[in-house]
Amino acid sequence: GENVEQHPSTLSVQEGDSAVIKCTYSDSASNYFPWYKQELGKRPQLIIDIRSNVGEKKDQRIAVTLNKTAKHFSLHITETQPEDSAVYFCAASSSGTSYGKLTFGQGTILTVHP
Amino acid sequence: NAGVTQTPKFQVLKTGQSMTLQCAQDMNHNSMYWYRQDPGMGLRLIYYSASEGTTDKGEVPNGYNVSRLNKREFSLRLESAAPSQTSVYFCASSGQGNRELFFGEGSRLTVL
Repeated sequence: GENVEQHPSTLSVQEGDSAVIKCTYSDSASNYFPWYKQELGKRPQLIIDIRSNVGEKKDQRIAVTLNKTAKHFSLHITETQPEDSAVYFCAASSSGTSYGKLTFGQGTILTVHP
Repeated sequence: NAGVTQTPKFQVLKTGQSMTLQCAQDMNHNSMYWYRQDPGMGLRLIYYSASEGTTDKGEVPNGYNVSRLNKREFSLRLESAAPSQTSVYFCASSGQGNRELFFGEGSRLTVL
């Protein structure tokens, strides 16, 4: 089955700096790569996703890049703010039947210091 | 519109006891899922139901059973709880042709 590795496990930045989180996946059939944000004590929520036919996607201060050849994808957050502090999870899916059948990475605890 | 609702939010069990986690969604979604979240291990899929009337094992199904009662409801049962099942459990749903998972608030289970 699919295996997703996520790094780093913790990331600490100053407000205004950029943050980058990286993930690798093992199943070359994977074609959908979402990122979820989970604030402390809350439920995970989708912040951005990318499909295998796209190399990069951007939404305001967040962007995701995908390298299918190397089987890795990354989340980039620019101009970080304290409210960006949360746990971020990458995930991958190759299911053609049920797209929510995701394999998640281990999570990255992002702390943005004011 | 409540989205995905899970009950109970907190539960303490003794080893060997049984319990059922309930989940309901009001978004008319076809697919529903149960994940468990443990520190340093991300979210792992226990069971899922692609559509009403079907259920399939995920990554970590041992010790659990599920029932897709109808399109709205998907329950997770622990028949004989073990300390290794101490975790936070999330129910989620997704709509036809939509890849986004909508999660419930989570259920924190402690097995002593």
